[in-house]
Amino acid sequence: ILNVEQSPQSLHVQEGDSTNFTCSFPSSNFYALHWYRWETAKSPEALFVMTLNGDEKKKGRISATLNTKEGYSYLYIKGSQPEDSATYLCGFFGNEKLTFGTGTRLTIIP
Amino acid sequence: DAGVIQSPRHEVTEMGQEVTLRCKPISGHNSLFWYRQTMMRGLELLIYFNNNVPIDDSGMPEDRFSAKMPNASFSTLKIQPSEPRDSAVYFCASSLVWGRTGGYTFGSGTRLTVV
Repeated sequence: ILNVEQSPQSLHVQEGDSTNFTCSFPSSNFYALHWYRWETAKSPEALFVMTLNGDEKKKGRISATLNTKEGYSYLYIKGSQPEDSATYLCGFFGNEKLTFGTGTRLTIIP
Repeated sequence: DAGVIQSPRHEVTEMGQEVTLRCKPISGHNSLFWYRQTMMRGLELLIYFNNNVPIDDSGMPEDRFSAKMPNASFSTLKIQPSEPRDSAVYFCASSLVWGRTGGYTFGSGTRLTVV
């Protein structure tokens, strides 16, 4: 069983504050690391797919970094807004499969 | 593009009945995935297809589960007979490049309740 772990499980952040959370994954058989945003009652939406060690991706106020040698990725949200409230999932693509972590549930407090 | 289309959105069935879930992937996507979401396990991969061919079904929980992809625009996931523990949200997703460099596009899911 592949261990893809996300921390923390849940997070409450004041509107306007910045935040970050972690995805840990196996450092062997790595091919890609995915991040998804999953709003309640909707389906997951892809944010980033990263493949290279040291990769950094950015979309608006959200960015992500990747360290494949030590097996972790960080997702950062700058200046949180209420619409950022969602569950953020990471997925490890290795051995031809995408295995998801259990997500970090982010709630932005107005 | 209408995205990945799943039907039905909700299904309530009695234990022992056959259930068929349907998925239409995005046109041109050559990989299709069935995932199940439960409270205990999160999103778990059941089976995936590449160019309509099943590649790995090791996530299918039991022989009661089967999946087919007769053509590039249609896939089914069947449970026969269904049991209460099969109650979950089932997602279908498709991808252009299998997940190596492109993200998956998920359907809206089918919420299955087996009573």
